[in-house]
Amino acid sequence: GDSVTQMEGPVTLSEEAFLTINCTYTATGYPSLFWYVQYPGEGLQLLLKATKADDKGSNKGFEATYRKETTSFHLEKGSVQVSDSAVYFCALSGIKAAGNKLTFGGGTRVLVKP
Amino acid sequence: DAGVIQSPRHEVTEMGQEVTLRCKPISGHNSLFWYRQTMMRGLELLIYFNNNVPIDDSGMPEDRFSAKMPNASFSTLKIQPSEPRDSAVYFCASSPRDRGRVRTGELFFGEGSRLTVL
Repeated sequence: GDSVTQMEGPVTLSEEAFLTINCTYTATGYPSLFWYVQYPGEGLQLLLKATKADDKGSNKGFEATYRKETTSFHLEKGSVQVSDSAVYFCALSGIKAAGNKLTFGGGTRVLVKP
Repeated sequence: DAGVIQSPRHEVTEMGQEVTLRCKPISGHNSLFWYRQTMMRGLELLIYFNNNVPIDDSGMPEDRFSAKMPNASFSTLKIQPSEPRDSAVYFCASSPRDRGRVRTGELFFGEGSRLTVL
């Protein structure tokens, strides 16, 4: 079945540091890929997405490129801020999934220190 | 526009009691999901509905859990009897209809219901 694997946290960074969170997936065909973010005390919200190979999703300074050859969708940000402290979830929507059913990774907690 | 509304935000109850969590999805969305989040198991999909019909309930832990969606604007998740291991944050999410073959993949989450079973 479909699965998503992402690096375990927590990831602790200083402000303005470069952030990378690795995400790899297993799925049939060409799934759609997503990154969700969960700020403290809140529900998850969509950060960015890519629906086909080589697409780059971007939002709020974050980027991720859909790499079919390596089945990866790594999240990057060039200069993090304290406000980026959150839990980040990689997810996919498989081609056989009904509706918008998503398979989530385990989440990576990111802590940015001033 | 109002987002997904969940109630209660916090519930503390004793083992053996019945717990009912409620969710109002975003108007016009046709899919609704119930997730459970714990430190140990992360985010787990319990059940989801499409057009008020349960599509996949394979994530429901056991018979103590049940979910209903009597209409497009309301869903409940019930635990009876509750146990300490049910303590978690329960999220409801809704999503709009897919646009053709493109999966929007955008789930709109509520703020969650934090359940503590003593």
